[in-house]
Amino acid sequence: DQQVKQNSPSLSVQEGRISILNCDYTNSMFDYFLWYKKYPAEGPTFLISISSIKDKNEDGRFTVFLNKSAKHLSLHIVPSQPGDSAVYFCAARDGGGADGLTFGKGTHLIIQP
Amino acid sequence: EAQVTQNPRYLITVTGKKLTVTCSQNMNHEYMSWYRQDPGLGLRQIYYSMNVEVTDKGDVPEGYKVSRKEKRNFPLILESPSPNQTSLYFCASKRQGISPLHFGNGTRLTVT
Repeated sequence: DQQVKQNSPSLSVQEGRISILNCDYTNSMFDYFLWYKKYPAEGPTFLISISSIKDKNEDGRFTVFLNKSAKHLSLHIVPSQPGDSAVYFCAARDGGGADGLTFGKGTHLIIQP
Repeated sequence: EAQVTQNPRYLITVTGKKLTVTCSQNMNHEYMSWYRQDPGLGLRQIYYSMNVEVTDKGDVPEGYKVSRKEKRNFPLILESPSPNQTSLYFCASKRQGISPLHFGNGTRLTVT
């Protein structure tokens, strides 16, 4: 049973447009959500996070939205740039658990010129 | 520079030959963890440690061992590797509580 789901394995977006990556979760005890970006041959790098007490967090071109009632979060990238082409992982922390993170399977974002 | 360092980056071995992948962090983090990444399966946690001498199983611990004798080091041990352990492995660390995980650059292991 997958607690963090990224239902789109890949997404193609034109340069300059908005990229929207989605993530759904099932565990009501998740209290902290993160997005990671991963290039080939490198480790995942932390991008942006949001606490469960908030519904939006913004950092430059990146905004994460959290809808707790729908158990859904999304990452918006505006405007999309070629360097944004990477695999994006959604992750969540179980506040009642052992402090680790549960990851989704990832979405491969491709920015088309 | 704050970082998580894994070695080696690439490793090819044969079934049954014991190996160790080292991991070291210089951020004084209490929490450390090992993940494996496989196509279509994302990142799955193998083992984690909340502090020195405290380790516990993650989601896919079978065939692996870990130890945490010092705060900065968290080696992953495969006593008798098998081909199904061919994967990309990541070590990660974080402060306790609500904080992001910091990952190493990965170790690509091939077991033939």
